[in-house]
Amino acid sequence: DAGITQSPRHKVTETGTPVTLRCHQTENHRYMYWYRQDPGHGLRLIHYSYGVKDTDKGEVSDGYSVSRSKTEDFLLTLESATSSQTSVYFCAIRAGGTYEQYFGPGTRLTVT
Amino acid sequence: AQTVTQSQPEMSVQEAETVTLSCTYDTSESDYYLFWYKQPPSRQMILVIRQEAYKQQNATENRFSVNFQKAAKSFSLKISDSQLGDAAMYFCAYRSAVAGTYKYIFGTGTRLKVLA
Repeated sequence: DAGITQSPRHKVTETGTPVTLRCHQTENHRYMYWYRQDPGHGLRLIHYSYGVKDTDKGEVSDGYSVSRSKTEDFLLTLESATSSQTSVYFCAIRAGGTYEQYFGPGTRLTVT
Repeated sequence: AQTVTQSQPEMSVQEAETVTLSCTYDTSESDYYLFWYKQPPSRQMILVIRQEAYKQQNATENRFSVNFQKAAKSFSLKISDSQLGDAAMYFCAYRSAVAGTYKYIFGTGTRLKVLA
C-alpha cells in the first residue's frame, strides 16, 4: 500500500472555516500529489510537490494551498471552505522510475 | 493539452465472461505512460496495469491485459474470467514521459458491474 495515510478520513465542516488535510508517507518518495474526486469528473489534480518546499498548481487549485516542510508530509489547506469543495480527496505518491502512482485511502470532506 | 476519454460510463459482464473497457487519449507526444486503476466500493485506488508507449508488447497482469494501439491512441483493458470482486470503477490515466513534467491525467471512469 506504499505506506500512505491520510487524516482525517472523514470531516464535516461549515462554510467559511479553514480545513487542513494531511498526507503522510513512510517510504521517502519525492513526488506527492493531491487530487479531488467528484462524480462525472474522475480525479482532478489540485496541487503536487516535487520535493520539500517545492510545489506547483494543478488544474483545480483555486481555493486550495499546500505545504511540504518535510519529505513525509504533504498538507492541503482550504483557507475558507465552500460547499463546492465537498468532495473526496486523495493523496498519492509517485514510485520512482516506474512512474506508477499509489494512493492513500482518501478523505471524505463535507462542507455544510 | 492531453486528454483522456472513457466513453462507457457503465458496463456489465456475467461472471466468468470477458469484458473490455475502452480508453482513448489525445497527445502529440511520442513517449508516455498509460495506466488502469481500479476503485472498488472501499474507495481505495488500486493500480491494475501499466503500459509504456515505447513498448509494442501489450502489458498483462494475470486476468488483466491491455490492447495498446499507439497510432489510434487507444488503450483498452480486457478482464478475462470476470469475478464478483472485479466490480468497481475503472480509471484510465496518462502521464507524459517528457522530462520536467509531473502531472497525470485521468479519465472520468467506467463503472463495471459483474452479474452472478
